[in-house]
Amino acid sequence: QVQLQESGPGLVKTSETLSLTCTVSGVSFSSYTWSWVRQPPGKGLEWIGSISKSGGADYNPSLEGRVTISLDTSRSQFSLNLRSMAPADTAVYYCASCVHWWCLPHAFNKWGQGTMVAVSS
Amino acid sequence: EIVLTQSPGSLSLSPGERGTLSCRASQSVSGNSLAWYQQKPGQAPRLLIYGASSRAPDIPHRFRGSGSGTDFTLTINRVEPEDFAVYYCQQYGSSRLTFGGGTKVEIK
Repeated sequence: QVQLQESGPGLVKTSETLSLTCTVSGVSFSSYTWSWVRQPPGKGLEWIGSISKSGGADYNPSLEGRVTISLDTSRSQFSLNLRSMAPADTAVYYCASCVHWWCLPHAFNKWGQGTMVAVSS
Repeated sequence: EIVLTQSPGSLSLSPGERGTLSCRASQSVSGNSLAWYQQKPGQAPRLLIYGASSRAPDIPHRFRGSGSGTDFTLTINRVEPEDFAVYYCQQYGSSRLTFGGGTKVEIK
């Protein structure tokens, strides 16, 4: 059974860097592309970025310059670093992926439960 | 960047009715790489449709996706109580993924 689980702080201060990790189980980690999506309270979904199995990353242009996604294949984990956090970055952060051939490359058939991150001064 | 515009913003339906949700793209979606998700309060989104018209495994047949190019539709035939939720479209035909703003399907 494929599972994705986010972990990280629930609260960060303005101007600090958010670091989140997604731990993947039940699937061959090195075979797929992995993504982060966020959702501000009461609002819609926003793609943050994706990292391929080879380590190449694409980012939302609105966040480029502040965001880095990286892989730790040995631990079946991928991580999100978002710098210069502001109150507008308050959101539920999800990790997600397509882990079957039919949804490739980016129709997300697996999601983590999400982790709420609040930004305060 | 491809902008996805969903309409209507909200839709009131009675159980048993048909609901039609629209997703319009600012430019053609490559390969009809368009997905639909259902999201209930406090839950992660759930993939319903991929490739514009293919149902994901275990998704009931009352959910039907259609369309191509820039105009896509999600139809819910005979809405059931568990279908009241927010629905999002997403394009993945370009390396920069985008989501629509969502349609909330409410009980009339």
